[in-house]
Amino acid sequence: GAVVSQHPSWVICKSGTSVKIECRSLDFQATTMFWYRQFPKQSLMLMATSNEGSKATYEQGVEKDKFLINHASLTLSTLTVTSAHPEDSSFYICSARDRGRAGNSYNEQFFGPGTRLTVL
Amino acid sequence: AQSVTQLGSHVSVSEGALVLLRCNYSSSVPPYLFWYVQYPNQGLQLLLKYTSAATLVKGINGFEAEFKKSETSFHLTKPSAHMSDAAEYFCAVSLFGNEKLTFGTGTRLTIIP
Repeated sequence: GAVVSQHPSWVICKSGTSVKIECRSLDFQATTMFWYRQFPKQSLMLMATSNEGSKATYEQGVEKDKFLINHASLTLSTLTVTSAHPEDSSFYICSARDRGRAGNSYNEQFFGPGTRLTVL
Repeated sequence: AQSVTQLGSHVSVSEGALVLLRCNYSSSVPPYLFWYVQYPNQGLQLLLKYTSAATLVKGINGFEAEFKKSETSFHLTKPSAHMSDAAEYFCAVSLFGNEKLTFGTGTRLTIIP
């Protein structure tokens, strides 16, 4: 149980185009999903917290108009990188919190496998 | 605000030797603590978690960690390293009522045959 998938697993795009990354919770309902960015050999940096049916909360320094997040259902959140540039190349990882899981008052998050974005 | 510090960005141990990865936390209230493992080009997998129950926490793949409040530490150990343990390990902290996870900078574990 508690499987999170991401699609695509990798994507290459031209500078100036937009890329959408999907994050799905496959066997549970995730009222909250998180988007992280990871640069090579570095830690995960939280970009935004996505709550189903409401606007995402972005961390300081993250451009909300560039990184559009939509959490339209309890099992799907999307991250759209708009007008991508080479500096947006990174590994994007989503996670989901299963509020319905018994005993999960300790904020355990389940992580997707990540999406590697390369902008040429 | 909470934070974690992982001492040693790279750790190398011989196969069969003890693995010790260090994590110290800073928190104004009792924290929840986690260890995650990341294999190349993959997401994070939870190894174990401390949620204010037993201070010695056992996780998957033979790993365990001990919460020491007096030392503000949550070091990860494994008695005997296996080649498959080679990966990146992240310590993370969160607070009750706050969903955000704050990650350490990670420790890359290399196993020497």
